[in-house]
Amino acid sequence: NAGVTQTPKFQVLKTGQSMTLQCAQDMNHNSMYWYRQDPGMGLRLIYYSASEGTTDKGEVPNGYNVSRLNKREFSLRLESAAPSQTSVYFCASSEELRTIYFGEGSWLTVV
Amino acid sequence: AQKITQTQPGMFVQEKEAVTLDCTYDTSDPSYGLFWYKQPSSGEMIFLIYQGSYDQQNATEGRYSLNFQKARKSANLVISASQLGDSAMYFCAMRELGTGNQFYFGTGTSLTVIP
Repeated sequence: NAGVTQTPKFQVLKTGQSMTLQCAQDMNHNSMYWYRQDPGMGLRLIYYSASEGTTDKGEVPNGYNVSRLNKREFSLRLESAAPSQTSVYFCASSEELRTIYFGEGSWLTVV
Repeated sequence: AQKITQTQPGMFVQEKEAVTLDCTYDTSDPSYGLFWYKQPSSGEMIFLIYQGSYDQQNATEGRYSLNFQKARKSANLVISASQLGDSAMYFCAMRELGTGNQFYFGTGTSLTVIP
């Protein structure tokens, strides 16, 4: 019953540091997504991957890179963290058009 | 232009009463899906209900129903018999089959149920 698992759940970074958020799903879904959530902004799409080996930019990709390592895993990398990247990050996966499953979120603070 | 608009930043409802959360959307794709998610204070995103653009009837899931008015491009969520546990953020979302894989979310409505 794992569904979508993302790590770490909490992280504090200093400005300029790099880190990778990991995401894995065990539902054999083709599509995976990374969103960020900021107060009053809802969820905004950073990157998505329609299938293994493909990635596309979403609404707010600047400052991020992604890797679709295999069908299960989709990682999000911050190469040089900035305070503006302080946010809650959600990974999600989808197969059927009528559902999308979310991870529990990762709280990132950049100081 | 905003794909999903939720105009109610905050709503209050008395316990056991019904409440309607508004959502309008913007698309030129004839094939799309509409979703509502609940986000409690713990942060997880909980799927509530789905409506397809070609569905003839309004979707219902227990106490949740979606008032789908296609011509007005609105997809309001109705929660009947509100409970204290319904206090949360509610997000409306849309997926266009044309773009295939992008989900667009609204900015959310914070619902507080008053005992």
